[in-house]
Amino acid sequence: QSALTQPRSVSGSPGQSVTISCTGTSSDVGRENYVSWYQHHPGKAPKVMIYDVNKRPSGVPDRFSGSKSGNTASLTISGLQPEDEGDYYCCSSAATYTYVFGSVTRVTVL
Amino acid sequence: EVQLVESGGGLVQPGGSPRLSCAASGFTFSDYYMAWVRQAPGQGLEWVGRIRLKRESYTTEYAASVEGRFIISRDDSKNSLYLQMNSLETEDTAVYYCVREYWFRFDYWGQGTVVTVSS
Repeated sequence: QSALTQPRSVSGSPGQSVTISCTGTSSDVGRENYVSWYQHHPGKAPKVMIYDVNKRPSGVPDRFSGSKSGNTASLTISGLQPEDEGDYYCCSSAATYTYVFGSVTRVTVL
Repeated sequence: EVQLVESGGGLVQPGGSPRLSCAASGFTFSDYYMAWVRQAPGQGLEWVGRIRLKRESYTTEYAASVEGRFIISRDDSKNSLYLQMNSLETEDTAVYYCVREYWFRFDYWGQGTVVTVSS
């Protein structure tokens, strides 16, 4: 199972919006609506930001949103904040009850 | 408060067979699927595998990269998850995270334990 494809980096100024894409195949992203997104700061445990494509866990700011079209999912951060800087991964369920993560996107707040 | 605390990492020789443990607290451990996720140096996250519940016969699935070498088990009486790693290769060097799986998402993660495979 190959990693899902994410851009290596995205950046924006505080208050701007950035979108991270996550491209897979019909066997993972396009198969079901079980795409989740994780924020990871070095040395800390990853944190789920979005699940089931577009649902936010309690406590996650509403500036984080998710969507999906075909084999590509997206995470949008609207109104970028300095604390949003970090690594982001998408993750999708795949055939045979496994999971595949994306290739990581580094978000930089300018 | 949900806590997942991994242990058992360290320096291991190629071909070695360490066992990682994860002590869980703050939730009813036996009610949740549990998984291991790893991150090799300079690489992204990689799902390693998961174990289901007692009523599902503790069935497991694994990533192709570890299938046949790694075994996930759990002891619900001890609120503990395990990862038996066999025939280790240098490519298995990584931070290993214990993770709670809840309805197709990983909602709680441990801080990770480092496994370094080197002679």
